Amino acid sequence: SQQGEEDPQALSIQEGENATMNCSYKTSINNLQWYRQNSGRGLVHLILIRSNEREKHSGRLRVTLDTSKKSSSLLITASRAADTASYFCATDEKTSYDKVIFGPGTSLSVIP
Amino acid sequence: KAGVTQTPRYLIKTRGQQVTLSCSPISGHRSVSWYQQTPGQGLQFLFEYFSETQRNKGNFPGRFSGRQFSNSRSEMNVSTLELGDSALYLCASSLLPRPTRATPLHFGNGTRLTVT
Repeated sequence: SQQGEEDPQALSIQEGENATMNCSYKTSINNLQWYRQNSGRGLVHLILIRSNEREKHSGRLRVTLDTSKKSSSLLITASRAADTASYFCATDEKTSYDKVIFGPGTSLSVIP
Repeated sequence: KAGVTQTPRYLIKTRGQQVTLSCSPISGHRSVSWYQQTPGQGLQFLFEYFSETQRNKGNFPGRFSGRQFSNSRSEMNVSTLELGDSALYLCASSLLPRPTRATPLHFGNGTRLTVT
């Protein structure tokens, strides 16, 4: 089964609101990454957080990591219509450096 | 610097045929990973190559194979195509080799394969 699981599967918000997506995983990891995918396109890397970090910011993005709960969250503040996309968390297990596993993703719709 | 290039962008094949997809990584990137993306299964890891060696493989049948050339370009091949192989096939390259994986994957826009 997949390493990461996102929650919720779909999220619809108004422009200007904050969007929060959660990711849970099962085994010990080296780091966790978040990616965005616009429809039919490749994935774009958003942010990487290492297993020894607890929080990281990048512009309007805030990522937290709780290794004791094996979970992470992605917060997008002041959302824009252009943020409409699918968001995936990705992890690589400590026992397998060569395989990055993606969760099923959260589909975010930001309504203007 | 040019991004990851995947060719062709779209492909239509018939059941039983075989197909080869190509991926050119970002210059200087030596690790290439392949993923299959479908609405039902999401992003599934196929395999990862570094320096022409397959380092890891996902849970796909032997009909799925790949290789990497000395210039880091990679190809994947699917033989005896089935309807269920219809998917978006994504290639990603990264800068650092194992064991460190603290660098992001850079994705191409994929090859959309339709099997009829």
